[in-house]
Amino acid sequence: QQQVKQSPQSLIVQKGGISIINCAYENTAFDYFPWYQQFPGKGPALLIAIRPDVSEKKEGRFTISFNKSAKQFSLHIMDSQPGDSATYFCAAMRLLGSARQLTFGSGTQLTVLP
Amino acid sequence: DGGITQSPKYLFRKEGQNVTLSCEQNLNHDAMYWYRQDPGQGLRLIYYSQIVNDFQKGDIAEGYSVSREKKESFPLTVTSAQKNPTAFYLCASSAGRTTSFSYEQYFGPGTRLTVT
Repeated sequence: QQQVKQSPQSLIVQKGGISIINCAYENTAFDYFPWYQQFPGKGPALLIAIRPDVSEKKEGRFTISFNKSAKQFSLHIMDSQPGDSATYFCAAMRLLGSARQLTFGSGTQLTVLP
Repeated sequence: DGGITQSPKYLFRKEGQNVTLSCEQNLNHDAMYWYRQDPGQGLRLIYYSQIVNDFQKGDIAEGYSVSREKKESFPLTVTSAQKNPTAFYLCASSAGRTTSFSYEQYFGPGTRLTVT
């Protein structure tokens, strides 16, 4: 019930195209859904996040779409650039006791071709 | 310059030896976390601490130990009991106030541990 399923495992997109990464969850106790971007040999960096009372959040070229009834959320990267090539992780957070815990998806390796 | 530092970046150890990974933050965050990352997998929680002198086991705590004697520091010891210790280890911190919206976790640059 704590699992977050992420797809696809890898994604290749042409420069200027739209990259779409999908995640699904089961546990309705999750109440915060961040996306992280990770470059090789570096720690993940928070990219964008959404709460379940909002269906969409946009920051620049990055948009999260959230479907609470389906328990699914996705990241859209518009006008993808070679510099966006990285591994992207979705995550879901819940309150466990007095602590907030993140559960991560397995990651999507995005390659944007020039 | 605020942030999270992890040292060393690369660490090599022989099987059977304990090794301690350092994590320091100057963000004045209450909560700190240790994650393990294996190739092709997401991050898995090892231990977390909400406050000094208190910490809780995460999903994969077996073979690891931690301490939280100072707010800024949360070292992780990988013991010889950990069956597959070779991995990328990430430390994170957050403001930790569960009643606020300061949920974001900020990650350090990681330590790659190789045990042979």
